Amino acid sequence: GAVVSQHPSRVICKSGTSVKIECRSLDFQATTMFWYRQFPKQSLMLMATSNEGSKATYEQGVEKDKFLINHASLTLSTLTVTSAHPEDSSFYICSARDVGHEQYFGPGTRLTVT
Amino acid sequence: AQKVTQAQTEISVVEKEDVTLDCVYETRDTTYYLFWYKQPPSGELVFLIRRNSFDEQNEISGRYSWNFQKSTSSFNFTITASQVVDSAVYFCALITGGSYIPTFGRGTSLIVHP
Repeated sequence: GAVVSQHPSRVICKSGTSVKIECRSLDFQATTMFWYRQFPKQSLMLMATSNEGSKATYEQGVEKDKFLINHASLTLSTLTVTSAHPEDSSFYICSARDVGHEQYFGPGTRLTVT
Repeated sequence: AQKVTQAQTEISVVEKEDVTLDCVYETRDTTYYLFWYKQPPSGELVFLIRRNSFDEQNEISGRYSWNFQKSTSSFNFTITASQVVDSAVYFCALITGGSYIPTFGRGTSLIVHP
């Protein structure tokens, strides 16, 4: 099946710094990518939907200035957590949707803010 | 609006027992897709099955089987002869034909003891 990668898989950063997470579709073009956040023992919560070449659509309650999403190409979307704080520590998962509307999930990135 | 309910938060069984994970969904769309994903401790979402709303046939894949009942809006998942490696969180998800954005249930944590 199609493969979606995320980098890094784990990151630890200090409070106040920014962290960038990459999501790549390796063998298909993804017109749409999704970013999810998952707190321990909880479900996946959709943060935003990003379409290639246009601004991301954020879900209610998600700060767009804090979670910057860029979808510059059909195979790459990035999520930047700006001025990270300990409460931003979470598991971030991306998914990519192909032209047939099949959706493939990345392996996730575990962010720890100290 | 769509909704997925996984009423079982945690299930604990002993190896070789059969176990059924429940999933009840709500949607007004007539075209929709139901999914099951497995999330082991590593965090990566593993796709298990997709079923569309027009196909009510039950499916069996090895020790896994799924029972789709439109009359009760349920898509239950049974693991036969459970193994320790089945220990994970299992998510049921719904995609409707309109949005193609999945709605996840809260997940059921399955613990299989040796």
